[in-house]
Amino acid sequence: GENVEQHPSTLSVQEGDSAVIKCTYSDSASNYFPWYKQELGKRPQLIIDIRSNVGEKKDQRIAVTLNKTAKHFSLHITETQPEDSAVYFCAASTHTNAGKSTFGDGTTLTVKP
Amino acid sequence: NAGVTQTPKFRVLKTGQSMTLLCAQDMNHEYMYWYRQDPGMGLRLIHYSVGEGTTAKGEVPDGYNVSRLKKQNFLLGLESAAPSQTSVYFCASSYGEVYEQYFGPGTRLTVT
Repeated sequence: GENVEQHPSTLSVQEGDSAVIKCTYSDSASNYFPWYKQELGKRPQLIIDIRSNVGEKKDQRIAVTLNKTAKHFSLHITETQPEDSAVYFCAASTHTNAGKSTFGDGTTLTVKP
Repeated sequence: NAGVTQTPKFRVLKTGQSMTLLCAQDMNHEYMYWYRQDPGMGLRLIHYSVGEGTTAKGEVPDGYNVSRLKKQNFLLGLESAAPSQTSVYFCASSYGEVYEQYFGPGTRLTVT
């Protein structure tokens, strides 16, 4: 089955700096890569996603890049703010697997004011 | 539009007791999922359903059963609770196979 590894497990940055979280996956058939943000005590919510026919996608301060050859994708947050502090999860899924997403173990991002 | 709701929000069980967690969605989604979330281990899939009347095993199905009698509801049952089932349980639903999953608020279960 699919295996998703996420690094780092914790990340601390100063407000205004950039943050990068990286994920690798094992199943070359995976074609959908969402990123979820989970604030303390809340539910995970999608912040950005990318499909395999696209190499990069951007939404304001958030961007995701995908390298299908190397089987890795990354989340980039620029100009970080204290409200970006949360746990971030990457996931990978494929239409051949009933849409089951395999999640990474999460990255706890702390943005220091 | 409530999205995905879960009941109860909190529950404490004694070892050996049984309970059912209810997930409901009002988005007419075909796909529904049950996850458990333990510290440092991300979200692990317990069972899932690709439509009314269907269920399938996920990554960690042992000790759990599910039913999807109605499209909008997905029930997770624990027949004989064990301390290892102490966790936060999230339900999610999705429009299709490779689309965003919408999560419920979670149920915090403690088994003593």
